[in-house]
Amino acid sequence: AQKITQTQPGMFVQEKEAVTLDCTYDTSDPSYGLFWYKQPSSGEMIFLIYQGSYDQQNATEGRYSLNFQKARKSANLVISASQLGDSAMYFCAMREIYSSASKIIFGSGTRLSIRP
Amino acid sequence: DSGVTQTPKHLITATGQRVTLRCSPRSGDLSVYWYQQSLDQGLQFLIQYYNGEERAKGNILERFSAQQFPDLHSELNLSSLELGDSALYFCASSVDEGNAGELFFGEGSRLTVL
Repeated sequence: AQKITQTQPGMFVQEKEAVTLDCTYDTSDPSYGLFWYKQPSSGEMIFLIYQGSYDQQNATEGRYSLNFQKARKSANLVISASQLGDSAMYFCAMREIYSSASKIIFGSGTRLSIRP
Repeated sequence: DSGVTQTPKHLITATGQRVTLRCSPRSGDLSVYWYQQSLDQGLQFLIQYYNGEERAKGNILERFSAQQFPDLHSELNLSSLELGDSALYFCASSVDEGNAGELFFGEGSRLTVL
């Protein structure tokens, strides 16, 4: 069965430092996608980055990169040069691509707070 | 703007009542997903529709039901409401059901049950 685990309920980071948000997953499907979403205090869900299970290189989008370690089933989000506006909840998510029920499930989230 | 429209944005009602939440997916998206987010919790998957047909079901209560109409908009019906149903309900859409594409989320409907 699909499972996403985020073990860091909250993190505090100094502005301009890099931060790594942890995510591990479990699936029996050989083909899957991994996502990260940001949810600021206003509530909307903002897509950040995507990694496919067969992608050879780690995904990057601007200051966001995904550290994908397939054998360890981890998909950590790295934010470089953190900014005050990065303070938000961050959710890791997964979709099994060839499953007959290809829902996307989410982890419990990590609340990131950036200190000035 | 994700292109996914949810109405109403806020709803306050009493226990025992019934409400309907509406979602219009992005133009061209055939798949609609519903999620429930209780206070300070993650997103719980409720149900998914693809081109009018139910495709996947999560831990959706029997008091809740949903459907996707021929014009692809979707409605989530919540009945016999309880205090614990107070939550942010998200609708999301994607192009199809099995690709690797991201979900595009609406802004959510915040339901408060008093």
